[in-house]
Amino acid sequence: SYVLTQPPSVSVAPGKTARITCGGNNIGSKSVHWYQQKPGQAPVLVIYYDSDRPSGIPERFSGSNSGNTATLTISRVEAGDEADYYCQVWDSSSDPWVFGGGTKLTVL
Amino acid sequence: QVQLVQSGAEVKKPGASVKVSCKVSGYTLTELSMHWVRQAPGKGLEWMGGFDPEDGETIYAQKFQGRVTMTEDTSTDTAYMELSSLRSEDTAVYYCAMPCSGGSCYSLWGQGTLVTVSS
Repeated sequence: SYVLTQPPSVSVAPGKTARITCGGNNIGSKSVHWYQQKPGQAPVLVIYYDSDRPSGIPERFSGSNSGNTATLTISRVEAGDEADYYCQVWDSSSDPWVFGGGTKLTVL
Repeated sequence: QVQLVQSGAEVKKPGASVKVSCKVSGYTLTELSMHWVRQAPGKGLEWMGGFDPEDGETIYAQKFQGRVTMTEDTSTDTAYMELSSLRSEDTAVYYCAMPCSGGSCYSLWGQGTLVTVSS
């Protein structure tokens, strides 16, 4: 089955830019979705189809996808962005919906 | 505003079964659509299964095949996930998740249901 690899943690100072990567074999050929999950809460979709933002998600959140790496970029990071972030794709393997292991974003 | 409201927390003994419900409000469930994702304590998200439009049927993750059944009652706009032969490793929060319209993402999630398996 398809594997998505994320760094366990990323730290960033307030006001700076955070980049969270999601690695997978030729992931650039797939559509990547990103979810934000705060402690004790359900996940929330923040980026879909690589770079689209659902309504209500700040423009500070953006995404890109090429080659073997997809990236979620959060500009002008705020304390409220501290959360776990998960990437997700659909793959034609036996278990089609695949999640990355998640990245904990810490705002210093 | 569409909402997914799940049933309350459950405590089960090893070997038992659990059935979690997910009621859709603000939207009419006209076809098989709900997916289920679980999250063990301190761990990541794990896809369990759901309706696959490519196959036109509900499919289950290999790990859960034979133990999980996902159903929907369109008369009450409620989806169900039943997991049998529970073991301690099944202790987790179980989420229902609504796929994006025509897509492979999840646009909306239930609040989660904690299932604790303990003797």
